[in-house]
Amino acid sequence: ETGVTQSPTHLIKTRGQQVTLRCSSQSGHNTVSWYQQALGQGPQFIFQYYREEENGRGNFPPRFSGLQFPNYSSELNVNALELDDSALYLCASSPEWMTYGYTFGSGTRLTVV
Amino acid sequence: QKEVEQNSGPLSVPEGAIASLNCTYSDRGSQSFFWYRQYSGKSPELIMFIYSNGDKEDGRFTAQLNKASQYVSLLIRDSQPSDSATYLCAASGGFKTIFGAGTRLFVKA
Repeated sequence: ETGVTQSPTHLIKTRGQQVTLRCSSQSGHNTVSWYQQALGQGPQFIFQYYREEENGRGNFPPRFSGLQFPNYSSELNVNALELDDSALYLCASSPEWMTYGYTFGSGTRLTVV
Repeated sequence: QKEVEQNSGPLSVPEGAIASLNCTYSDRGSQSFFWYRQYSGKSPELIMFIYSNGDKEDGRFTAQLNKASQYVSLLIRDSQPSDSATYLCAASGGFKTIFGAGTRLFVKA
């Protein structure tokens, strides 16, 4: 059974650019949630995808968008990057949207300069 | 704003002692509660979840839930230096799971 994989592991972007982060969910999991974790903070909920539909969204602007594919892998897209977007982006998968706990990927460390 | 509050610590305990970590939540609609461990530079790892009032034990870990007080705790018995990490409390009431900022635990050898 494979875990959750994220790519890339590290990324440096310039303010104003766009970025796409990728996540492959754990085998058998149909729900993917994305979180942003700033240094010293807890993960902040961005949105969740369940069976290819956005199931819920946190307090993030529309320039944060996502997709889920038929194989339940997912992408997080961020447009018009700002310095404050620098953070660890975590993908978490679970068997159903009523989570019994997440399996997290190792994260993507995004630095915006 | 629905929140999960934790003492940021650091909490320092000697090896072999009991570490007690606490958390409160504001959303009475929360149904499921979780404890995750996060080592520095790593992603969170689920260690316990609890739905019902009372205690739930798993090895050296005991989670406690009191819905009336909106309070969740985690006890770590026989603490080991390898338990040194940040412990994140989380509450879920549907599609969204809200995390606290975490408590840093140091176990001194």
